[in-house]
Amino acid sequence: KNEVEQSPQNLTAQEGEFITINCSYSVGISALHWLQQHPGGGIVSLFMLSSGKKKHGRLIATINIQEKHSSLHITASHPRDSAVYICAVRSSSGSARQLTFGSGTQLTVLP
Amino acid sequence: NAGVTQTPKFQVLKTGQSMTLQCAQDMNHEYMSWYRQDPGMGLRLIHYSVGAGITDQGEVPNGYNVSRSTTEDFPLRLLSAAPSQTSVYFCASSYGTGVVTGELFFGEGSRLTVL
Repeated sequence: KNEVEQSPQNLTAQEGEFITINCSYSVGISALHWLQQHPGGGIVSLFMLSSGKKKHGRLIATINIQEKHSSLHITASHPRDSAVYICAVRSSSGSARQLTFGSGTQLTVLP
Repeated sequence: NAGVTQTPKFQVLKTGQSMTLQCAQDMNHEYMSWYRQDPGMGLRLIHYSVGAGITDQGEVPNGYNVSRSTTEDFPLRLLSAAPSQTSVYFCASSYGTGVVTGELFFGEGSRLTVL
């Protein structure tokens, strides 16, 4: 079983829809990252969080440490949001320097 | 700010050849790492470094070598390329090396094909 599980693997939405991508993990963590990988391949960091909620523009990330679960929400989705969204966790035990990545969620937003 | 600079973007090798992927960052980050990304799989850690002179193996280190002689540079060497090393490689860096770490910054990726 992967330490980091994302759902759904693929998601197609109409422009304007509210989107939720989920990430569950099985280890204690010191931080969780949400990343966006563009169709061209580049990866950018969206959020890093260890508790609560963060918001940046139309993107919201939440984390529940007790339930070992995080969600990434996109409000008023737009075709330019089409990308792969990746969740990664940094373990709080063992080597705190290593990250474990989910396999990503492919989001397609149709106009 | 250049951020993380990774070269080359594309490379084709023949089995048995060696090559070096270059990674440089200008943010004075302690932590640098190399990942490979294969279809249907998450990013997998090859090697990482928490500072100049300090490197360690990740999840898939076999066939790769790294060194960290300066804070800025973290090259990845393929010693004798194999078709199984065909992949997209990413270098990433962040500040911090322990429990408290920062945002991740990635290079643009290097697509390597081994024939």
